[in-house]
Amino acid sequence: DSGVTQTPKHLITATGQRVTLRCSPRSGDLSVYWYQQSLDQGLQFLIQYYNGEERAKGNILERFSAQQFPDLHSELNLSSLELGDSALYFCASSPLGGDPGELFFGEGSRLTVL
Amino acid sequence: GDSVTQMEGPVTLSEEAFLTINCTYTATGYPSLFWYVQYPGEGLQLLLKATKADDKGSNKGFEATYRKETTSFHLEKGSVQVSDSAVYFCALSDHFGNEKLTFGTGTRLTIIP
Repeated sequence: DSGVTQTPKHLITATGQRVTLRCSPRSGDLSVYWYQQSLDQGLQFLIQYYNGEERAKGNILERFSAQQFPDLHSELNLSSLELGDSALYFCASSPLGGDPGELFFGEGSRLTVL
Repeated sequence: GDSVTQMEGPVTLSEEAFLTINCTYTATGYPSLFWYVQYPGEGLQLLLKATKADDKGSNKGFEATYRKETTSFHLEKGSVQVSDSAVYFCALSDHFGNEKLTFGTGTRLTIIP
């Protein structure tokens, strides 16, 4: 158990809909990262937050948005969903002063868009 | 931009066989290099890392050496076990003010008894 909690574990929805994925980082970790894992694209970095502020942005679509709240949990919002958005979405966290690149991953939220 | 190229899978080996999974990278500057492992139904977890050239990372019998001259970080294990069956990801971190990781595509390893 990494200490990172993601909900829901599975989600099935239809094209055009909007969903919210939630992540609770390890206790005390200030950084939260979101990754998308799909069969054709592999693991793609989406976005990073540090203590409530956006810190780095990767290949995140404009239809997607994220935020980190004062209690440090984070939410990834996916809207106008398309079939190609079906993927496993991982959240990871890292501690302040921790080893660079050592991320602790949750078990992921599997999104299926029908 | 940064990129990581991994050996295509899947890889199937018999128990006690020698394992090599190749990984090469492209990066500006001097990245740190990592191997992460994903067991079935779980998230990724750090297996080993190396932060500078010629460093060797090791854990659970796995090893990888940071080779700057060949921009490689190949994963090796002398004698694999069934419990090593998983997906292995090579990754790099660029150190430019954040700790985001760039991952390879992953290599699925299956060990048969």
